Amino acid sequence: QKEVEQDPGPLSVPEGAIVSLNCTYSNSAFQYFMWYRQYSRKGPELLMYTYSSGNKEDGRFTAQVDKSSKYISLFIRDSQPSDSATYLCAPTGPLAGKSTFGDGTTLTVKP
Amino acid sequence: NAGVTQTPKFQVLKTGQSMTLQCAQDMNHNSMYWYRQDPGMGLRLIYYSASEGTTDKGEVPNGYNVSRLNKREFSLRLESAAPSQTSVYFCASSPGLGDEKLFFGSGTQLSVL
Repeated sequence: QKEVEQDPGPLSVPEGAIVSLNCTYSNSAFQYFMWYRQYSRKGPELLMYTYSSGNKEDGRFTAQVDKSSKYISLFIRDSQPSDSATYLCAPTGPLAGKSTFGDGTTLTVKP
Repeated sequence: NAGVTQTPKFQVLKTGQSMTLQCAQDMNHNSMYWYRQDPGMGLRLIYYSASEGTTDKGEVPNGYNVSRLNKREFSLRLESAAPSQTSVYFCASSPGLGDEKLFFGSGTQLSVL
């Protein structure tokens, strides 16, 4: 079993929809929870990060972590065509080299 | 501010050839990484360097070597390329010392025939 399991997708939604992207993890040592966004043929870029259970909001994006159930989510409100990308969850340990990536969920937002 | 710069962007090799992928960062980060990304398999860590002068194996190190040339530069070498090494390679850096937010380069598309 993989340390990080991510909803595989692909996901296609109409513009303006609320999107939920989800991951589960098994390693209790993970302390930080990152979401990266990757546009086609580009490198991943850090989108959101959080260090604790609960919600963290940044504009239209909300990262949610439940450490007790080892479940992490990214919500996108009022989705836009520019949100079309692959989203990677990455629970991370406290030391270098301890980020473990999910396989990614590809999102398409249709105008 | 260039961030993380990788060269080359594209490369085609024949089986058995060798090559070195170059990576440089200008953010004064302590840690640097090499990942490969294959369809449906996400990002897998090949090697990393937690700080200048140190390197460690990641999840898939076989067939690769690395050199942390200085704080800015981290190179990845394929000594004898194999078709299984066809992939997209990403270099990344992080501040380190507990701050492990990753900053990625734009990638190298490598094909081994």
